[in-house]
Amino acid sequence: SQKIEQNSEALNIQEGKTATLTCNYTNYSPAYLQWYRQDPGRGPVFLLLIRENEKEKRKERLKVTFDTTLKQSLFHITASQPADSATYLCALDAGGTGANNLFFGTGTRLTVIP
Amino acid sequence: DAGVIQSPRHEVTEMGQEVTLRCKPISGHDYLFWYRQTMMRGLELLIYFNNNVPIDDSGMPEDRFSAKMPNASFSTLKIQPSEPRDSAVYFCASSLSPQETQYFGPGTRLLVL
Repeated sequence: SQKIEQNSEALNIQEGKTATLTCNYTNYSPAYLQWYRQDPGRGPVFLLLIRENEKEKRKERLKVTFDTTLKQSLFHITASQPADSATYLCALDAGGTGANNLFFGTGTRLTVIP
Repeated sequence: DAGVIQSPRHEVTEMGQEVTLRCKPISGHDYLFWYRQTMMRGLELLIYFNNNVPIDDSGMPEDRFSAKMPNASFSTLKIQPSEPRDSAVYFCASSLSPQETQYFGPGTRLLVL
């Protein structure tokens, strides 16, 4: 069955540094991958979508890469700020499984220390 | 648009009671999803609808859970009877297509005592 792993439950970094979060998957080939941000007490909010034929996508201070050979996506936040502190979830479509839904990782809780 | 609306935001009930969670998706979105989120298991898909029709309910834990979508602007998730292990945050999300961006509601935090 499909498996999605995000590198760690929690990540602490100093303000101004680049945060790098990892999403690894096994046992299937998604057509695209999404990253969401979730703040405490709120629902996930969409950030970026990257397709399998795209190596990299950027949005302001965010950058996502998608390596279908390594079965991995990296999510970078440059010049991190305390306001970036949140839980970040990766989500993948079901690939060739025939299912029409997203599968979510368990998330990485990022804390940016002032 | 106000986004996805869920009610209630918090629910505390006793074991054995019926619980009904409500969701209003974003207007024009053909897909509606119900998720459950816990610390242990993360975000799990329970069921999703397309044009008010349930498409995949394989994530529904057991017969105690049921979901309906009587029209394009309203869905319910019902748990009867509720059990303490049902305690979680339940999210509703909607989207234009099943694998594209999903828009989540604020969630309902359920505590079953």
